[in-house]
Amino acid sequence: EVQLVESGGGLVKPGGSLSLSCAASGFTFSDYSMNWVRQAPGKGLEWVSSISISSIYIDYADSVKGRFTISRDNAKNSLYLQMNSLRAEDTAVYYCATGGIGYSFDYWGQGTLVAVSS
Amino acid sequence: EIVLTQSPGTLSLSPGERATLSCRASQSVTSSYLAWYQQKPGQAPRLLIYGASSRATGIPDRFSGSGSGTDFTLTIRRLEPEDFAVYYCQQYGSSPRTFGQGTKVEIK
Repeated sequence: EVQLVESGGGLVKPGGSLSLSCAASGFTFSDYSMNWVRQAPGKGLEWVSSISISSIYIDYADSVKGRFTISRDNAKNSLYLQMNSLRAEDTAVYYCATGGIGYSFDYWGQGTLVAVSS
Repeated sequence: EIVLTQSPGTLSLSPGERATLSCRASQSVTSSYLAWYQQKPGQAPRLLIYGASSRATGIPDRFSGSGSGTDFTLTIRRLEPEDFAVYYCQQYGSSPRTFGQGTKVEIK
């Protein structure tokens, strides 16, 4: 069974940092591009970042470019998102999901909540 | 950036009725790389349709997708109680991979 389990969410002050992780199991992680998608409370889905299989291709939404860094460790079947200079508008549930350009987001984790507030 | 506009914002229907959801793109979607997702409260999105018209694994055949270019449709042939949810379209052919704002299908 495919499983994606996010962790690392929590409450952080504006300007602070947080690191999210996504542990994958039940499929060959190294065969899939990966993404982070977020959803602000009561709002729709927003793609945040993606990383290709071998980390050669990395992309970010303009809203997080220069502040967030995506990475992966295929040996540990894990995806990461380092979030710096956090703002109130970054408050959201963060999901990891499989999929790259030309591929739909087939599998999703259950999400981890990030709240940015003083 | 491709902007996806979904309509209507809310669809009020009864179980057994047919639901027709629209997704319009601001420019042509590459190779019909258009997906539909279902999301229920407190849950992660679930892939329903990819490639504009292909059902994902395990998705009942009452769900169907159609369209190409800039106009796409998700049809739910006969609504079951578990189908009342929010539906999002997404294009994944170019970056940024954008989502529509969602259509809520609610019980009338």
